Amino acid sequence: DADVTQTPRNRITKTGKRIMLECSQTKGHDRMYWYRQDPGLGLRLIYYSFDVKDINKGEISDGYSVSRQAQAKFSLSLESAIPNQTALYFCATSEYRDNEQFFGPGTRLTVL
Amino acid sequence: LAKTTQPISMDSYEGQEVNITCSHNNIATNDYITWYQQFPSQGPRFIIQGYKTKVTNEVASLFIPADRKSSTLSLPRVSLSDTAVYYCLVGAAGEASNFGNEKLTFGTGTRLTIIP
Repeated sequence: DADVTQTPRNRITKTGKRIMLECSQTKGHDRMYWYRQDPGLGLRLIYYSFDVKDINKGEISDGYSVSRQAQAKFSLSLESAIPNQTALYFCATSEYRDNEQFFGPGTRLTVL
Repeated sequence: LAKTTQPISMDSYEGQEVNITCSHNNIATNDYITWYQQFPSQGPRFIIQGYKTKVTNEVASLFIPADRKSSTLSLPRVSLSDTAVYYCLVGAAGEASNFGNEKLTFGTGTRLTIIP
């Protein structure tokens, strides 16, 4: 869904590097989410934001930080990447809690 | 935090009806049940959402018994393009729940394979 975009789509980096994954949306939704997907483990929530002034930790926030720069932008940072952060990362938006979430195409991150 | 349990995988033939069940024994009063479909290397896509009884849309039906401890996604007359992973999500409902106490739990998903 082009309404939710993620950059970069693929990234290979080395242990200890700082990485930022960006998410932008044109749907006008207040709520944005970052998920991580590992093979066989489904999606796990990292952080979520209900509006520009609201940031909340999800199930697996350790090692990650986020920034909600505007209603349309929600960035995920890895301050010092480690190999077990190698995964597929998805951004999502929604209009109301529990209503449909719209997912971006994902960012495949590899930490060597 | 309502965790969910789904079968890891299912196989079905084209043209058949497929039912995928999700268990959520600790579902809270304010929780809704939402199902998503995911194709390889793509983000999940919303299929259907419900609170109780039965919900039907153009692609699926969702059956929720009175105790709400489980739900069943029903896909009528599946085709090869329905091969995907299906996720059951249980999460707190709208304005009634605590703002800022949000927990959205995806199950591990059910890998559905449609056989020609």
